[in-house]
Amino acid sequence: GQQLNQSPQSMFIQEGEDVSMNCTSSSIFNTWLWYKQDPGEGPVLLIALYKAGELTSNGRLTAQFGITRKDSFLNISASIPSDVGIYFCAGYDAGNNRKLIWGLGTSLAVNP
Amino acid sequence: GAVVSQHPSWVICKSGTSVKIECRSLDFQATTMFWYRQFPKQSLMLMATSNEGSKATYEQGVEKDKFLINHASLTLSTLTVTSAHPEDSSFYICSAHLLAGGYEQYFGPGTRLTVT
Repeated sequence: GQQLNQSPQSMFIQEGEDVSMNCTSSSIFNTWLWYKQDPGEGPVLLIALYKAGELTSNGRLTAQFGITRKDSFLNISASIPSDVGIYFCAGYDAGNNRKLIWGLGTSLAVNP
Repeated sequence: GAVVSQHPSWVICKSGTSVKIECRSLDFQATTMFWYRQFPKQSLMLMATSNEGSKATYEQGVEKDKFLINHASLTLSTLTVTSAHPEDSSFYICSAHLLAGGYEQYFGPGTRLTVT
């Protein structure tokens, strides 16, 4: 099935560093969602984006809906140990808002 | 707000038995709920879309007679894994669709199923 290209696959950073990850699609999307999943838990919604160019923050997290509507990025500033986890992008293709399309995830490790 | 619960959080069952997993939206009504399956170190795979008061819509390759879904009310959907086999062992996660303001999906904490 359709899948988003999410990169990087994994990141190992020092506490306090900024992090950036992104997702791209082959088709136009009308919604981008960013989730974080801890081991053994369900994904938790971090940020939802609905308009091209939209830039939204949630604490130290900032995400943007790309102008082309085919990409989105998530930035985490001043990382802390509890940022460890897997971050997933997901979105709705403009031609099908029934099924959420997922990226493969970015695994983030933070060295204290 | 937008809290989704799942029960049980983990279950071990023997091959051939059936297991029921409940998904509840605690502080909102959900006309649509989703059931996902996730293998270790992989993304979420949509199994079926559960619509209140109607039949579920299954994704290609998902056996509807094996994975029975019932969405009997606006706050409860259940997934029953029938005649479970070891290969059904997985992490099952439900989500609920919040229509107000957009199409966010809010997820439950997941259910770890182990079939022995």
